[in-house]
Amino acid sequence: GDSVTQMEGPVTLSEEAFLTINCTYTATGYPSLFWYVQYPGEGLQLLLKATKADDKGSNKGFEATYRKETTSFHLEKGSVQVSDSAVYFCALEMDSSYKLIFGSGTRLLVRP
Amino acid sequence: GAVVSQHPSRVICKSGTSVKIECRSLDFQATTMFWYRQFPKQSLMLMATSNEGSKATYEQGVEKDKFLINHASLTLSTLTVTSAHPEDSSFYICSASKPGQGYYEQYFGPGTRLTVT
Repeated sequence: GDSVTQMEGPVTLSEEAFLTINCTYTATGYPSLFWYVQYPGEGLQLLLKATKADDKGSNKGFEATYRKETTSFHLEKGSVQVSDSAVYFCALEMDSSYKLIFGSGTRLLVRP
Repeated sequence: GAVVSQHPSRVICKSGTSVKIECRSLDFQATTMFWYRQFPKQSLMLMATSNEGSKATYEQGVEKDKFLINHASLTLSTLTVTSAHPEDSSFYICSASKPGQGYYEQYFGPGTRLTVT
């Protein structure tokens, strides 16, 4: 079945460091891909999305490129801030089916 | 904004009792609400989808008689865990989508941690 695999956390970085959180997927068709973020005590929020191969989603300095050849959607940010500390979830949606399939989440901790 | 609240945030109940979790969209009308379950260090698993005024659609493997979902209004959905057992202990998360938006544009509540003793 369709699935999403994320790197295990926690990921601990110093402020202004470069961030990569790996995400790969398995899908029978052509999914849309998403990154959600969950700040402490809050619900998940959509961070960025990409709906077809080679699309790049971006928001708040974060980027992810839909790579069909490697079935990946890695999240990157050039310079993290303490306020980026949160749990990040990669997810896919198949063919507008409404069903989101999530990865297990990666906790990011940014130290001053 | 699009804020979704859940109540309670934490609940402890005894085995065999039932517990109700509320999910409210505070500043928009939600035609569709979703209920997820999350185990420690695992991904969110969709349990069911509910539309206002109609019966919920449950995912395969989810017992509909155990997890009762009622979407009574455009701003409120409830999940009742009936005859709870320790294996029902989990983190339950709801989300809601706005009319006319893609379903991926779900607004999530902060979750409810259920502990069954």
